[in-house]
Amino acid sequence: NAGVIQTPRHKVTGKGQEATLWCEPISGHSAVFWYRQTIVQGLEFLTYFRNQAPIDDSGMPKERFSAQMPNQSHSTLKIQSTQPQDSAVYLCASSLDWGGDEQYFGPGTRLTVL
Amino acid sequence: GDSVTQTEGLVTLTEGLPVMLNCTYQSTYSPFLFWYVQHLNEAPKLLLKSFTDNKRPEHQGFHATLHKSSSSFHLQKSSAQLSDSALYYCALSPLIASSSFSKLVFGQGTSLSVVP
Repeated sequence: NAGVIQTPRHKVTGKGQEATLWCEPISGHSAVFWYRQTIVQGLEFLTYFRNQAPIDDSGMPKERFSAQMPNQSHSTLKIQSTQPQDSAVYLCASSLDWGGDEQYFGPGTRLTVL
Repeated sequence: GDSVTQTEGLVTLTEGLPVMLNCTYQSTYSPFLFWYVQHLNEAPKLLLKSFTDNKRPEHQGFHATLHKSSSSFHLQKSSAQLSDSALYYCALSPLIASSSFSKLVFGQGTSLSVVP
């Protein structure tokens, strides 16, 4: 079991460019979550999917952020027109079944917007 | 709404002394409480999870007791080790129904530094 896989591990973009982050959840896990981690804000929830269906995107900045899960083996987080304040570590997590289950986190993608 | 409060941003302890990291929460529903630990340059990992039957979870010498009356889930360990130095997050999972998926709501995190 390779755990949750996130690519790339590091991404540097210029202001205004697009960034796409990839996540491969643990095989057999039904839920996929995206979080953002910064020193100032800590760990913030962005969005999650259950069986590929979007369930809650209440943490997503509405205008430039979008997430998809086209199949059970990967999810993407896309940030359009990146801004310096988007610089953060973006963490993907998956869990087996229900809300009380452990979430397994990937290593994260460190996004730096210049 | 749901929220988690960790009052200490940084805790520095001498090896061998007891550890106590504070966590209080607010939730509309009866949530599950978690402690996640994140070592430097690693992903957060589950350390402890509250039980529905009020048993005290224990792992790697750490334990935490869910007190619903005071909405607290403090993390404790009797003797700190150098390897315990890490970032500790308290989190809750607000469950609307017993079988519903739910996000994690995290506290701000407490950085524990254990020194010789």
